[in-house]
Amino acid sequence: GALVYQYPRRTICKSGTSMRMECQAVGFQATSVAWYRQSPQKTFELIALSTVNSAIKYEQNFTQEKFPISHPNLSFSSMTVLNAYLEDRGLYLCGARGQGGAETLYFGSGTRLTVL
Amino acid sequence: GDSVTQTEGPVTVSESESLIINCTYSATSIAYPNLFWYVRYPGEGLQLLLKVITAGQKGSSRGFEATYNKETTSFHLQKASVQESDSAVYYCALGDWGNYKYVFGAGTRLKVIA
Repeated sequence: GALVYQYPRRTICKSGTSMRMECQAVGFQATSVAWYRQSPQKTFELIALSTVNSAIKYEQNFTQEKFPISHPNLSFSSMTVLNAYLEDRGLYLCGARGQGGAETLYFGSGTRLTVL
Repeated sequence: GDSVTQTEGPVTVSESESLIINCTYSATSIAYPNLFWYVRYPGEGLQLLLKVITAGQKGSSRGFEATYNKETTSFHLQKASVQESDSAVYYCALGDWGNYKYVFGAGTRLKVIA
């Protein structure tokens, strides 16, 4: 079946430092990968969408300069939170979608970021 | 814009009682919205519970069901008899098949008590 692994599960970083999280699709080829963030007391916000053969598209309020994403192949994606501050804390989810126009996003377990 | 509104939690239900979590959506920029219910158990990520991609159809899984009602723009989640293991946070989501984009509701925390 389709599985998405995301790591690390939890991470703590000092304010102003950066951290990288990774996402791997297993059992299917991820034609698109979406990164979401759930800040405290909020729902999931789309950060960016990475689709094969297209440029990475960032949503309003999120930029490549702050959240650079690498999507080198159909199975792997990584995102870095640069210069993390308190407002960046939350649960970061990676969702991957397969080939054939499949409409379902399969999510990893998330990376919980705490900023001190 | 596109949005999803769902029952505000927490919702507490006794075991074996029935459950309904309301979900309504607004898909102003999505021509053919797909609708989903995801569930998040403590310490875990989002799991797909059920999905319906065609208006008028019903999806079901693990005793839960939801019908995609285009007229009322609703996708309410129902279960006839809940169990303690159903305690989790439930998210209604609107998917844009063409643009690979999802919009989530705020989530509804369900607590089932014995």
